[in-house]
Amino acid sequence: KQEVTQIPAALSVPEGENLVLNCSFTDSAIYNLQWFRQDPGKGLTSLLLIQSSQREQTSGRLNASLDKSSGRSTLYIAASQPGDSATYLCAAYSGSARQLTFGSGTQLTVLP
Amino acid sequence: EAGVAQSPRYKIIEKRQSVAFWCNPISGHATLYWYQQILGQGPKLLIQFQNNGVVDDSQLPKDRFSAERLKGVDSTLKIQPAKLEDSAVYLCASSLGLGGPHNEQFFGPGTRLTVL
Repeated sequence: KQEVTQIPAALSVPEGENLVLNCSFTDSAIYNLQWFRQDPGKGLTSLLLIQSSQREQTSGRLNASLDKSSGRSTLYIAASQPGDSATYLCAAYSGSARQLTFGSGTQLTVLP
Repeated sequence: EAGVAQSPRYKIIEKRQSVAFWCNPISGHATLYWYQQILGQGPKLLIQFQNNGVVDDSQLPKDRFSAERLKGVDSTLKIQPAKLEDSAVYLCASSLGLGGPHNEQFFGPGTRLTVL
């Protein structure tokens, strides 16, 4: 059974800092790993999707990496801004689960 | 392109009452998903439809939850009777293809249910 863990549960940083969010998964036989952003009262917005054959994906100030062998993914946010404040969720699609398995998220607060 | 629509956005009911949620997926999307997100947790898949057929409902508490997708478009999720532990955000998502890992899911804003 796939289990996805995100640490820390909450993170507070001053504006302008670079930061890393962590995601780990127990079943390394994944098809892909996806990072989402969730704002209060809103649904999930997909940020980056990394296929199992890829090592990383980049979009603007965001960079996500994937290490299947160690069961880890990281989301790097450069030069953080108050508008980046949100909950960030990672989700893995594995053959065993045949569905997206989500972590509990990291609640990020960027202080002006 | 319009996104996934859900209604109502908020609902407060008392335990043992019934409630229904509605979802309208992105036009042309074959697959529709209902997720339950309890506060502080990630979304958990309740049921997946492919057109108007059920693909996976293994995590749907069938004694109280039901869902349908008539004509392969809109979907409703019903809870009857509701329990306190059903308090959560119910998210609907849709994907263009026939589910699976290669079809990106697009999420609606969710319905926040509070059971008193």
